[in-house]
Amino acid sequence: GNSVTQMEGPVTLSEEAFLTINCTYTATGYPSLFWYVQYPGEGLQLLLKATKADDKGSNKGFEATYRKETTSFHLEKGSVQVSDSAVYFCALSTPTSYDKVIFGPGTSLSVIP
Amino acid sequence: DTEVTQTPKHLVMGMTNKKSLKCEQHMGHRAMYWYKQKAKKPPELMFVYSYEKLSINESVPSRFSPECPNSSLLNLHLHALQPEDSALYLCASSQEWLRSGKGQPQHFGDGTRLSIL
Repeated sequence: GNSVTQMEGPVTLSEEAFLTINCTYTATGYPSLFWYVQYPGEGLQLLLKATKADDKGSNKGFEATYRKETTSFHLEKGSVQVSDSAVYFCALSTPTSYDKVIFGPGTSLSVIP
Repeated sequence: DTEVTQTPKHLVMGMTNKKSLKCEQHMGHRAMYWYKQKAKKPPELMFVYSYEKLSINESVPSRFSPECPNSSLLNLHLHALQPEDSALYLCASSQEWLRSGKGQPQHFGDGTRLSIL
């Protein structure tokens, strides 16, 4: 079946450090891939997306590249800020999942000054 | 600002009460969702409505009853809930898969934090 695996953390970084959160997936067909972010006390927000192999999604300094050969969609940011502290979810949807989105377990990130 | 509006933001209810959660979107999305989320866990899908018809029920107990009165509104009626039902309830909407031809992102509200006494 379809699934998403990601490092669960918690991850603690100092401000201006480089961030990588690994995400790998298993899916039939050609999934669309997403990163969502959830700040404390809020719902999930779409951070970025990619719909086909080699697409790069980017937003707010975050980037992720759809790698079909390694079935990965790792999230990166060159310099994190305290305001990036949140939980990050990798997710996918496929033709076989219809309107469902499959979420990874989430990675909690804390950025300290 | 979120484009999906949920009310109320917080709800405390006893196990014998009846209450409803409400969700509204005006993005023209024809797929709408209810999720349950425990702290620092991913959302768990409960129900999916597509074109105002229930298309997916993830074996949710009957004490949760969804309703989609029109394409912009989604309700979740609650009755005789248990303490383990305390959680954040999220509503989401998206363009539906069949028309778009590929997986579409979901747009989430900020949720209703539900506490069962």
